[in-house]
Amino acid sequence: KNEVEQSPQNLTAQEGEFITINCSYSVGISALHWLQQHPGGGIVSLFMLSSGKKKHGRLIATINIQEKHSSLHITASHPRDSAVYICAVSSDQFYFGTGTSLTVIP
Amino acid sequence: DADVTQTPRNRITKTGKRIMLECSQTKGHDRMYWYRQDPGLGLRLIYYSFDVKDINKGEISDGYSVSRQAQAKFSLSLESAIPNQTALYFCATSDRGVGRQFFGPGTRLTVL
Repeated sequence: KNEVEQSPQNLTAQEGEFITINCSYSVGISALHWLQQHPGGGIVSLFMLSSGKKKHGRLIATINIQEKHSSLHITASHPRDSAVYICAVSSDQFYFGTGTSLTVIP
Repeated sequence: DADVTQTPRNRITKTGKRIMLECSQTKGHDRMYWYRQDPGLGLRLIYYSFDVKDINKGEISDGYSVSRQAQAKFSLSLESAIPNQTALYFCATSDRGVGRQFFGPGTRLTVL
């Protein structure tokens, strides 16, 4: 059973497009995390949120606790946004989605 | 300098060999984690440690052991490596509870 489900698994976009990645979870959580993994393999934390919305540059993360759903939006996408985006939730421990592989074409 | 470091970054070994992966952190965090990542499966927790004297198994601990030598160091051992342990291994830290995690650069392990 997967505590965290992401969609889509793969996404290709043209530069400049608005992108949405979705995450649903089935456990009670203390926080939801969005992570970014570049082709070199390193993982960085983009957001940690437990309610509402957070914005950092062109990235926006939202969460709906009642619906157990979060979205990651990228505005004005750029080729350097190409990466795998991973949704994770923290409760008693961390649970990770399988990731969304994003490719932004110039 | 990186806050979380892992050594080695790449390792190729043979079935049956004992392997140790090391993780060090300068963030001063109490909590440290070992994960493995396989294509299509996402990150899975192997072991985690809330402090030097508190070590816990994750969902896939069989075939692995760990040692928390100090607050800053957390090592993962494969006692007798097997090919299905070929994966990308990540160490991570967090400061408290299940707050934001900081990941090391990963170790790519290949078991032949």
